[in-house]
Amino acid sequence: KAGVTQTPRYLIKTRGQQVTLSCSPISGHRSVSWYQQTPGQGLQFLFEYFSETQRNKGNFPGRFSGRQFSNSRSEMNVSTLELGDSALYLCASSTQPGTLYEQYFGPGTRLTVT
Amino acid sequence: AQTVTQSQPEMSVQEAETVTLSCTYDTSESDYYLFWYKQPPSRQMILVIRQEAYKQQNATENRFSVNFQKAAKSFSLKISDSQLGDAAMYFCAYRIKGSGTYKYIFGTGTRLKVLA
Repeated sequence: KAGVTQTPRYLIKTRGQQVTLSCSPISGHRSVSWYQQTPGQGLQFLFEYFSETQRNKGNFPGRFSGRQFSNSRSEMNVSTLELGDSALYLCASSTQPGTLYEQYFGPGTRLTVT
Repeated sequence: AQTVTQSQPEMSVQEAETVTLSCTYDTSESDYYLFWYKQPPSRQMILVIRQEAYKQQNATENRFSVNFQKAAKSFSLKISDSQLGDAAMYFCAYRIKGSGTYKYIFGTGTRLKVLA
């Protein structure tokens, strides 16, 4: 069974631009979560989707948004990029949200904002 | 505030020796789960071990075990017979149910170096 895939793996953008990151969960997994990882802050939860609905949201500004498609694939969008948005963005999938089920992480997308 | 603290940014251990990574957390919830995740240099994060807060018995997975002290809100990870492949960032996390939704709270990580 293929793991969680994220595209692109690396991205360089300039301030003010917007970016869209993609995540394909493990086959059969319907819950997708997004995290921002930075050296100083560790992992911070962005949001969680299940059945095309946002079920949970972290404390990030409205510039960060996401969506989930009927095939469970998810996209994350960041508008009006700031230098502080430079980070590794991780996607994780699980069979369903709100349980003890473990999350399976993707390799991440490294976003650099210049 | 719901926080997870990993006070050791970096640790080193000699191959075949034992190392303990510390983690403390703060929550007023009574129902939660605790996890240790490992992130090797290739960045694919994987679950190492998990513990249900209502269970008193410490979880064990092969060479990995935890020391769960609920009253002290402490959840340390012990790695026995350390191997070169154990070198990675280790994240402590807990998952709670608050305000009708579940949340994962992660610590800032401990980088473990294994010396040959």
